[in-house]
Amino acid sequence: RKEVEQDPGPFNVPEGATVAFNCTYSNSASQSFFWYRQDCRKEPKLLMSVYSSGNEDGRFTAQLNRASQYISLLIRDSKLSDSATYLCVALSNTGKLIFGQGTTLQVKP
Amino acid sequence: GAGVSQSPRYKVAKRGQDVALRCDPISGHVSLFWYQQALGQGPEFLTYFQNEAQLDKSGLPSDRFFAERPEGSVSTLKIQRTQQEDSAVYLCASSHSGPVSGQFFGPGTRLTVL
Repeated sequence: RKEVEQDPGPFNVPEGATVAFNCTYSNSASQSFFWYRQDCRKEPKLLMSVYSSGNEDGRFTAQLNRASQYISLLIRDSKLSDSATYLCVALSNTGKLIFGQGTTLQVKP
Repeated sequence: GAGVSQSPRYKVAKRGQDVALRCDPISGHVSLFWYQQALGQGPEFLTYFQNEAQLDKSGLPSDRFFAERPEGSVSTLKIQRTQQEDSAVYLCASSHSGPVSGQFFGPGTRLTVL
C-alpha cells in the first residue's frame, strides 16, 4: 500500500463545475501536507499548503482531517486552465516529501 | 536565473552507459532534493542535501546511483551502468531552509535508456 493514495481519475468536468479531490495518507507521524499541480511534461509546482483549520486561496480550498488521515482539495468554478494533474503530498517525520500518484483533471468547454 | 535549472533536459543512453545529471538550485537555497518520476506516477524521493552534506540517501534504488553536492550549490546525480528501468524523469528541487519550507522544482531531465 502506498503511503499517500489518490484516485488517479481522470476527472472530466465542464467549465464552471465544482470538483473535489481526496487523498489519504498512512503515516500518522506526517507533519505537513501540500497540494502540488503538475502540467503535462512540466515540473510540479506548489499550489497550496494544507492546514487542519482549512485554507482557501481564491477558488481553491484545502482541508486536512488528521483523525481520518484524509486531505481534500476543492476547486470551484473550474476553468479550462485548471486542467492538470494534482499531486497530494505529505512531509514525513524524516523530512521527505511523499507524493501520491496524482489525480488528473480535464476541464471541458 | 530565478529558478532551479537542470541539464541536460533530455538524455538518451545505451544500456550499460554511465550518465551524469546536473542541478543548479535557486541561489542561496540550503536544501536540495532529487526525485525520480516514472510515467503516470508521482515523484519518488531519492536523496536530500543540506548544504554539502547528504543527509538522506535512503531513496536511491541501488548502488549504481550516486549523488554529490561538493560545494553546497550545484549537485550531480550519477547513474552507472544504466538499465532500462532507470528510464524516468529526474527532478531536482531546492528550498530555502529545510524540507518544510516550500520546495521549488526544476524542469527535470528525461532519461531514456535503450
